[in-house]
Formats: sequence, structure tokens, C-alpha cells
Amino acid sequence: QVQLVESGGGVVQPGRSLRLSCAASGFTFNYYPMHWVRQAPGKGLEWVAVASYDGVNKNYADSVKGRFIVSRDNSKETVYLQMDSLRPEDTAVYFCARDGSFDIWGQGTMVTVSS
Amino acid sequence: DIQMTQSPSIVSASVGDRVTLTCRASQSMSNWLAWHQQKPGKAPKLLIYRASTLQSGVPSRFSGSGSGTEFTLTITSVQADDFATYYCQQYDSYPYTFGQGTKLEIK
Repeated sequence: QVQLVESGGGVVQPGRSLRLSCAASGFTFNYYPMHWVRQAPGKGLEWVAVASYDGVNKNYADSVKGRFIVSRDNSKETVYLQMDSLRPEDTAVYFCARDGSFDIWGQGTMVTVSS
Repeated sequence: DIQMTQSPSIVSASVGDRVTLTCRASQSMSNWLAWHQQKPGKAPKLLIYRASTLQSGVPSRFSGSGSGTEFTLTITSVQADDFATYYCQQYDSYPYTFGQGTKLEIK
């Protein structure tokens, strides 16, 4: 079935790095742009980044620009989020989602930035 | 950036009630507007896209309407499974943005 599964979350100190992965299955991965969305504890949803269907075009929220990099490997049907210079305010559940309307969501992976 | 504002922040309803949630955009936009439902500890779920198109598998008691700067989500007869938080989301232009959410509570 159509599915997105995130992994790579954990606890990390401020200033350190983490890479998230989102593995897709059940659909033609290279047809769709793929997004990352996050949700801080008890807060609303915040769009983070997008990689176009071919990975050439990318876009970022101002809050992560210059620190996060989105990429994808269509041969592995996986999208990544490289997060550098992490801050406490990056603490959140990170979801990947398909297409502009976010018609498919992963279950999320928790990232905690704390010393 | 297009800012999305939802109202009310919280709405109390009983099973069987009709409920309307509103989402206002800070500038006129095309109908690239989606509604998502989220329950505690779960991922969001797409209900409506293109402002008024019902996602496959979503009950027909959910409907979306609107254009320009004002959009609505209506639940014609609230069911027990509908108590959740609802977010509107614009995908008209980057950065994509969400409203702050409307929590539908049991009265």
C-alpha cells in the first residue's frame, strides 16, 4: 500500500547534526515532489522544505534556510533531510509528506535538541 | 508569504451538530487550499484539496468551499470520530503555510 516511513530521529545536542530519512513505497516515487513538515510539542504544523520530483529544485522555510538540506534518491525511493547547526527550537516531530496537498503523510520521527 | 488564520480556535459541538470552520488568507490566492485532520499523537490526514475536492475515502459529511481569501470546512453531522484538530494549508506559493488549527471538542 502507499506508505511513507520516516527514521533517523533522536536526541542531539545543540549545534550538532542529524539526518532524517523517509522511505516511500506503493507509488511511483519520482512522479511527486516530497516535503518535510514539522510539529513542535503542543504546537501547530510548520512546513520545512521540499524537493522537486527530480531533486533539482528545492525550497526551504526561512527558519531552516542555510542549516537544513533536503535531497532525494529516486533509485532508493527515499527523501532525506540533513539538519546541521541544530537549535533547541528545532525540537519537533518531523513528518514527510507527498505532493503539494500533502495527500500522504508518514508517521513522523521525533527530534529533540537538548544539552 | 501568505498567512493563514483559522477561526475559531476551539469549537464545542455535540454529535449530530453542523459545524463550520473558517480559514482566511492574508492575500487573495487560487484554490490551492487543503484541509487536514489530526488526532493526538497521530499524523495529519488529508480531507479536502483544491478547496472543495473530497479526498478518496473521506466521508461525505465533510465539504469544503470558498475562494480568494476565505475558505470554509463544513461537517454536516458531527460524529464521535470527528473530534480532532483541523488545519488549513495553502499550497499556492512557497513557503507553504498552515493555519494555527481549530480544535473540535465534545460539548
